Amino acid sequence: AAGVIQSPRHLIKEKRETATLKCYPIPRHDTVYWYQQGPGQDPQFLISFYEKMQSDKGSIPDRFSAQQFSDYHSELNMSSLELGDSALYFCASSLAKNIQYFGAGTRLSVL
Amino acid sequence: DAKTTQPPSMDCAEGRAANLPCNHSTISGNEYVYWYRQIHSQGPQYIIHGLKNNETNEMASLIITEDRKSSTLILPHATLRDTAVYYCIVRVAAGGSEKLVFGKGTKLTVNP
Repeated sequence: AAGVIQSPRHLIKEKRETATLKCYPIPRHDTVYWYQQGPGQDPQFLISFYEKMQSDKGSIPDRFSAQQFSDYHSELNMSSLELGDSALYFCASSLAKNIQYFGAGTRLSVL
Repeated sequence: DAKTTQPPSMDCAEGRAANLPCNHSTISGNEYVYWYRQIHSQGPQYIIHGLKNNETNEMASLIITEDRKSSTLILPHATLRDTAVYYCIVRVAAGGSEKLVFGKGTKLTVNP
């Protein structure tokens, strides 16, 4: 069965650069969630979209923005990157806000 | 969302049943108990969820006490590949607060 696809899998950036992470949900899923997992930490919710509208927001820095497009894929844009942004970023998708299925994640390293 | 309490770590012998407990004493009537696991740096994997009745699927069984204040995830025949951090999460199934709030979870180590 098709799963959540995230790209890229690995990303290396310098401080103050920008990064864009992409998420392609399971076909027919209408809700996308973004989570951040720092080293040794548990996943923390950032933001979610339902039917292309933002539906919930967590501790997402103002430097980050996200959107969900007409084909339901989502992008997380991160600007003015800081060393502390180095983390695993997971995307999950669900149908009508039910069971969330996660992608393999993007490992972002900020140097 | 209600908070949950889990033991930080557990060990289990390969082939034996692994029983992972979770306390959620402040759970509300419309909140479900979800279990996810994360195998080293991989994306969290959905295991099972339930409201008040016991549930079973191909991966595990979920036993919820009658007062719904605690539950137990059972892996009937643990294998080395079941070594992971297991998260017990309480949330409304749909609507309301949609996010998953991950606590510290239980680090399960399956030993040969």
